[in-house]
Order: sequence, then structure tokens, then C-alpha cells
Amino acid sequence: DTEVTQTPKHLVMGMTNKKSLKCEQHMGHRAMYWYKQKAKKPPELMFVYSYEKLSINESVPSRFSPECPNSSLLNLHLHALQPEDSALYLCASSQDGTSGSINEQFFGPGTRLTVL
Amino acid sequence: KNQVEQSPQSLIILEGKNCTLQCNYTVSPFSNLRWYKQDTGRGPVSLTIMTFSENTKSNGRYTATLDADTKQSSLHITASQLSDSASYICVVSAYRGSTLGRLYFGRGTQLTVWP
Repeated sequence: DTEVTQTPKHLVMGMTNKKSLKCEQHMGHRAMYWYKQKAKKPPELMFVYSYEKLSINESVPSRFSPECPNSSLLNLHLHALQPEDSALYLCASSQDGTSGSINEQFFGPGTRLTVL
Repeated sequence: KNQVEQSPQSLIILEGKNCTLQCNYTVSPFSNLRWYKQDTGRGPVSLTIMTFSENTKSNGRYTATLDADTKQSSLHITASQLSDSASYICVVSAYRGSTLGRLYFGRGTQLTVWP
């Protein structure tokens, strides 16, 4: 299984809602990532988990809260979002978090988030 | 400053033709370079990945080259198909020893293949 899955595919939420994005992989990867991608722009790194510990937080606002319940799952909890947070949210995983190896990242299909 | 620049920004070609996309980078210290294909609204899919010692790598109709001295890479697509229409993103990984490697993304080249 060389796939990263993400649910839901699409999400529309109001600014007062609480929702969660989910990501799952069964490749035995120990590093998982959240990216935000606006239209016609490259993905921007948000968070990195390495061996189920948060290792990078790119100064993301606290209305985004990541969680890594186990090595196969990664969640992104959303609360009190703004319309400018509307974007494609991509999850990725890699073998581990180091750069000593090739450490190729495999991306999921993304969740298209719209904040009204 | 670590940067990845891609050209052209967009490209239109006819089905069956070849094309070459360019990537220049200033990322240092260099670990590896990847080319991804991203369909609109979908996640990026890896095409090739090359380390410092590799000059060329092929994946079907896709051939990537790397010149680590000039810090340039190219992606050549042969016999283009309508399904090749997508954004092609060059991504460079910086070496960080035992700590987490960081990826630097180019803005992508938007390729459109016309019948």
C-alpha cells in the first residue's frame, strides 16, 4: 500500500464551526506533514510530526491544531477559521524525518476547504 | 537565501510534441531534487527524484536531468498526451544532517496539452 488517504475530499464550514481533517498512511512512514496550498501557489509547510512528536510548527495560527494519535494517523483540528484559510490542505508522509536518506514525501489527494 | 525558480511559468503544446521544463535552485547544502506532477485540486505525485551524484533519471516518457555544478535541472516530456496537462513542480531538499530535511518548492510550470 503506497497511498496516503485524506478525508473529507471537500469541506465547507462557517467561521464558528469546529471540524477536523484526517490523514492516514500504512507505509510504515514515521514522518507526516501538513501543507496548505492556495491556488496557483506551491504548497506551504504547516506542521511536521516525526515519530509521533511535533517537530516543526511553521508559526501557524492556533486556530489550526495538529494531532498525531499514532504513527499511521494525522489529524488537523480546525476552529474559528477565517475565509482566507480557504485552500487545499495536503497531507504527506515520508520514511522518517531526517535528510540523511532520500526521504521521499508521498502526498495525499488533499482536502479542499472553503470557509464561509 | 534558499530558492527554487522554474521556467516557463506556463506552456502550451500540441499533443504528440516534446517539451522541456527548467528548474534553477540556490538551495544549499543540497540533498536531492524531485519533480512532481500535480493535477488541479489534487496532491502532487512524484515523477523522479535525484541525488547529487545522478545526472539523469527516466520514468516512462519523463526524463529529468540534474547539473549539480550549475544548480540546474530539467524535465523533458516526450510524445505529450492530453493527460500530461498539469502543474509540474520542482522541489529541492536541503541537507540538515540528522535533523529534519526541509523541502523548497518552485512555483511550478503549468503545462497544457492541446489536441
